Amino acid sequence: NAGVMQNPRHLVRRRGQEARLRCSPMKGHSHVYWYRQLPEEGLKFMVYLQKENIIDESGMPKERFSAEFPKEGPSILRIQQVVRGDSAAYFCASSPRDRGGYTFGSGTRLTVV
Amino acid sequence: QQQVKQSPQSLIVQKGGIPIINCAYENTAFDYFPWYQQFPGKGPALLIAIRPDVSEKKEGRFTISFNKSAKQFSLHIMDSQPGDSATYFCAGVSSGAGSYQLTFGKGTKLSVIP
Repeated sequence: NAGVMQNPRHLVRRRGQEARLRCSPMKGHSHVYWYRQLPEEGLKFMVYLQKENIIDESGMPKERFSAEFPKEGPSILRIQQVVRGDSAAYFCASSPRDRGGYTFGSGTRLTVV
Repeated sequence: QQQVKQSPQSLIVQKGGIPIINCAYENTAFDYFPWYQQFPGKGPALLIAIRPDVSEKKEGRFTISFNKSAKQFSLHIMDSQPGDSATYFCAGVSSGAGSYQLTFGKGTKLSVIP
């Protein structure tokens, strides 16, 4: 029973490029959350999605960031025109219901050079 | 606005010691308080959690103490081992809100020395 799978594990992008982070939830989980962890900081909520729907994007920066969770395939967090301040670890979590039971993936470490 | 304040930032104890990590919250809508353990290069893993209707919860060597009136809670690790060396995060969540988003503290890096 595979856990939450995130790829790539490490991603290096030059300023101005696009970054795409993928998250495959655990089998049977239809709720996906994205969090960002800056160095020496706790995780900060970004967005909560169910299949084909964005439920809560109150933590998403207003520009350059978007997320989707299509009917088929993984959830994608997309960052356009990356800047140095986007360098962070991005974690995805999935749950089978809308009230907890979170399981986190191992994260994608994004470095913008 | 930091809604969950965690201290200390780092902690070093000897094997067998009892590290204590403290958290204070501001949002009175929080009704579930989990603790997560994170090893380098890994995602956070749920360790233990408590609801505010109890003052203490124990699971193995890990104990949460909860003080609702003070809006504070703490994690105690009994008989700490080098394998407990990790970063620990407290969090709060309002389960009645529209989304089950966790509000994390900034973390405590624990080192248990043999």
